[in-house]
Amino acid sequence: GAVVSQHPSWVICKSGTSVKIECRSLDFQATTMFWYRQFPKQSLMLMATSNEGSKATYEQGVEKDKFLINHASLTLSTLTVTSAHPEDSSFYICSARRFGQNYEQYFGPGTRLTVT
Amino acid sequence: LAKTTQPISMDSYEGQEVNITCSHNNIATNDYITWYQQFPSQGPRFIIQGYKTKVTNEVASLFIPADRKSSTLSLPRVSLSDTAVYYCLVGDWDTGNQFYFGTGTSLTVIP
Repeated sequence: GAVVSQHPSWVICKSGTSVKIECRSLDFQATTMFWYRQFPKQSLMLMATSNEGSKATYEQGVEKDKFLINHASLTLSTLTVTSAHPEDSSFYICSARRFGQNYEQYFGPGTRLTVT
Repeated sequence: LAKTTQPISMDSYEGQEVNITCSHNNIATNDYITWYQQFPSQGPRFIIQGYKTKVTNEVASLFIPADRKSSTLSLPRVSLSDTAVYYCLVGDWDTGNQFYFGTGTSLTVIP
């Protein structure tokens, strides 16, 4: 149990276009989902926290107008990278907190974004 | 934030026991300690979690001294497939700081 999926697993897009990444909790309801970004050889950096039905909370330095997060249901959160640029190329990982579960995050497999 | 400090990297031979220590001097009373494993181009995978003393599961043990200012992840008889980055996270949902990853420890298992 406690499986989190992401789609797509990898995507290549042209500079200036927008890309949407989906994060789904497959077998549980997630009250809170988290989005991370990871550059090569670096640790995970928390970008934002999203709660179902409310606006996401962004970490300092993360542009909320560039990284749009929607948490429309208890099993789905989406991250849209708007007007992507090559510097947005990274590995994006989501995680979910199971409703009623206190201290564990369940991570998705990640999405590799390459902006050309 | 309960900041964590880990060694950047470690090497070990196959079949040996590996101990990775994490320092968290500012751990709060309500904080839990969680360890994750990450392979390249994959999301982190939960290994083990504890609050105090010793916790053991099918893949690892977690040792936490009485003062809880550090913790040690113990991997018994490592294999090549254990080569990965290991992260120690400290915190609880109320403080929110368990969502922040430190540098992690890159473990390389040598044949």
